Amino acid sequence: EAGVAQSPRYKIIEKRQSVAFWCNPISGHATLYWYQQILGQGPKLLIQFQNNGVVDDSQLPKDRFSAERLKGVDSTLKIQPAKLEDSAVYLCASSFLLAGATNTGELFFGEGSRLTVL
Amino acid sequence: AQSVTQLDSHVSVSEGTPVLLRCNYSSSYSPSLFWYVQHPNKGLQLLLKYTSAATLVKGINGFEAEFKKSETSFHLTKPSAHMSDAAEYFCVVSDHNNDMRFGAGTRLTVKP
Repeated sequence: EAGVAQSPRYKIIEKRQSVAFWCNPISGHATLYWYQQILGQGPKLLIQFQNNGVVDDSQLPKDRFSAERLKGVDSTLKIQPAKLEDSAVYLCASSFLLAGATNTGELFFGEGSRLTVL
Repeated sequence: AQSVTQLDSHVSVSEGTPVLLRCNYSSSYSPSLFWYVQHPNKGLQLLLKYTSAATLVKGINGFEAEFKKSETSFHLTKPSAHMSDAAEYFCVVSDHNNDMRFGAGTRLTVKP
């Protein structure tokens, strides 16, 4: 079974430029998460999708960050314009929903996309 | 919103001695709790999870954790540390919306 795919693995940009990250979850996983992990910290939830709907985006800086999952499968996270403090690893994770929409609780993570903003 | 507090940012033990990584949680609902491990330059991996069944949960690699509602704790233990256990460990709480919140992490160092 293929895991969670993310691209690009590494990206270096200058501040005020834009960047986009792509994630393809495990087939059949209804829930998709984007996390931001700053060096030395725990992952911080940015946005959670269930199918193509947003469940929680309370911690997403909406003035510069956007995310979509139009067909309920793969997802794109965009940052525009980037700031120095956006330097981090962006992790995508997915989870399987049981019948009745109960999450199994186990997240499957991709390898992450490391962003450096200069 | 729910949250977790990992009480130690760094724990250092000698190989063969017990490991204790502490986690306290806050949740308005009956939470699900997890421990994840992150080895250097590798992805996050689930160690174990509590989802309202048995309060003592056994995970992979000899780790276990006990859910104590009265203490709002979910500490991770292992009887005997191995060099390969050196990694970053994250306690995670999930609410009824499957909103998964991570703690700040505890770095475990294992000395020979």
